[in-house]
Amino acid sequence: SAVISQKPSRDICQRGTSLTIQCQVDSQVTMMFWYRQQPGQSLTLIATANQGSEATYESGFVIDKFPISRPNLTFSTLTVSNMSPEDSSIYLCSVEPQRGTEAFFGQGTRLTVV
Amino acid sequence: DAKTTQPNSMESNEEEPVHLPCNHSTISGTDYIHWYRQLPSQGPEYVIHGLTSNVNNRMASLAIAEDRKSSTLILHRATLRDAAVYYCILRDYGGSQGNLIFGKGTKLSVKP
Repeated sequence: SAVISQKPSRDICQRGTSLTIQCQVDSQVTMMFWYRQQPGQSLTLIATANQGSEATYESGFVIDKFPISRPNLTFSTLTVSNMSPEDSSIYLCSVEPQRGTEAFFGQGTRLTVV
Repeated sequence: DAKTTQPNSMESNEEEPVHLPCNHSTISGTDYIHWYRQLPSQGPEYVIHGLTSNVNNRMASLAIAEDRKSSTLILHRATLRDAAVYYCILRDYGGSQGNLIFGKGTKLSVKP
């Protein structure tokens, strides 16, 4: 199993600013995943973060807007840059300690941009 | 990962069984069927998964059709805490990097 701690749990930010979300896992994992959940919608994968290499971004998401760091096997950050109200969403990180089995999710970061 | 189709919403009464259907007519032979649920204001949590045979765990049962083109998640006795959005997801272990592709899911309401 894995326990994921995400910080902050929620924030209200001014447009044009940036927010960095932290994701800490209680065990070492190869890949960490960042998702976005817009209001009333399902989850959409933003990127996959491997330790020691650049993150792989899904279509529609770019590194300049969502830079990701993965300094070690238990930690990752996602930054939402130059925010606009359209970035208001819940951002979640996820890990899958054993490939192909159970995935674990953080509680999410609820971001509101005003 | 192949696509799944689920009803947008379902209602159940507390302490009654709930059958949540999922259609996956384009499933491939190596796709596993996974179910996750998302309780209000929480991240998704794993429920169950299977390949061909029916599966049971402490949370639920998974019934898989013989042709694998559909499956049903069974909650044997719904509680108020089971009110959530349930996602049926197909996973190909061979090709998947580990990310899950979420559809819209089924929002389950449980009435006391």
